[in-house]
Amino acid sequence: DGGITQSPKYLFRKEGQNVTLSCEQNLNHDAMYWYRQDPGQGLRLIYYSQIVNDFQKGDIAEGYSVSREKKESFPLTVTSAQKNPTAFYLCASQQGLSTEAFFGQGTRLTVV
Amino acid sequence: QQQVKQSPQSLIVQKGGISIINCAYENTAFDYFPWYQQFPGKGPALLIAIRPDVSEKKEGRFTISFNKSAKQFSLHIMDSQPGDSATYFCAARGPGSQGNLIFGKGTKLSVKP
Repeated sequence: DGGITQSPKYLFRKEGQNVTLSCEQNLNHDAMYWYRQDPGQGLRLIYYSQIVNDFQKGDIAEGYSVSREKKESFPLTVTSAQKNPTAFYLCASQQGLSTEAFFGQGTRLTVV
Repeated sequence: QQQVKQSPQSLIVQKGGISIINCAYENTAFDYFPWYQQFPGKGPALLIAIRPDVSEKKEGRFTISFNKSAKQFSLHIMDSQPGDSATYFCAARGPGSQGNLIFGKGTKLSVKP
């Protein structure tokens, strides 16, 4: 089945630790995105990549980092510099600039 | 100019009723307006989308009404069912090299049996 796989579904992190969220797609899409979702805040764009080995900051990139070494993969690292990391993180992909965006099932990160 | 304003924040509708969610935008360069449906603990999924060259698009019980001059668009859910209870997001995308979706803040819909 084609789709976007995010792992893990739930993740717990101690304060001061970096953590990496996985996002893999087998849709052969060029563009991939990371969003953060907080209650009442909608979806806010963290980083996006429209081609391998290239990515751009979104609206709330501070405290996050990404890489795009392969077309299928777009991991997100939440660093210790992110002051309020507890949230639901969503990865998405799309083929062209005017096509449907497909979302993964999300990773819920909790800082303990 | 890059915002999409969505209302209401929450909505309670009786089974069989009509649910209406509204969105407004400022940037006239936006040319694609999708609605996403999200169930708790899941990722959003595309429900229906419209481009500004049409004023209405219907898919089953779901209809988008689009008013280009007012820069507003709305989602109507006819004969609302308890299974429609979810959070709905409107979004907009502009042309050009970025083409990123800009989302509204979401509407939590509860359909009471």
